[in-house]
Amino acid sequence: DTGVSQDPRHKITKRGQNVTFRCDPISEHNRLYWYRQTLGQGPEFLTYFQNEAQLEKSRLLSDRFSAERPKGSFSTLEIQRTEQGDSAMYLCASSFSSVGEKLFFGSGTQLSVL
Amino acid sequence: DAKTTQPPSMDCAEGRAANLPCNHSTISGNEYVYWYRQIHSQGPQYIIHGLKNNETNEMASLIITEDRKSSTLILPHATLRDTAVYYCIVSNYNQGGKLIFGQGTELSVKP
Repeated sequence: DTGVSQDPRHKITKRGQNVTFRCDPISEHNRLYWYRQTLGQGPEFLTYFQNEAQLEKSRLLSDRFSAERPKGSFSTLEIQRTEQGDSAMYLCASSFSSVGEKLFFGSGTQLSVL
Repeated sequence: DAKTTQPPSMDCAEGRAANLPCNHSTISGNEYVYWYRQIHSQGPQYIIHGLKNNETNEMASLIITEDRKSSTLILPHATLRDTAVYYCIVSNYNQGGKLIFGQGTELSVKP
């Protein structure tokens, strides 16, 4: 068990560019979540998957955001046409559905949009 | 919006018990109380959760009032490594992990 892994740890991009983040959950976990966190605020829920199915998306997830979990293992979060307001920490978490909301979080990807 | 209210900050002396309060007066009968903490530059870490009985694990104790409208997280012997933001969250298990984080309590453990 190596924990939840996120890549990259830091990403700097120019406004208008596309970015993609990857999350590798704990191997036996069937649920995977994406959160976003800005400075001084708690994490905000974006979306979650059970296996490969995306079961819920927050209204925060505009049409510029897309998340996939193609084989029910790793997940990617893509942001198209980035804006300065997208600058934040993007956190991934995973859990096993039978043990309630005990989520295991990765260390996040810090996105800076210039 | 978060369903909990927590003080924005607290201090605690190293070696003493840290008691972090949380108000959740609108909690529903099927909602659990969860506590997570976030150390600077890391993702949140699960601490403990409970429904109505008090709970204890290797990290902390959770005391829930009989009416379930408030709870207290107790770190029995705080260390400098316990300095973090502590989040109290109420969640219905069937929400499938959509935890709503508030702003939490920033706990500073001082030598």
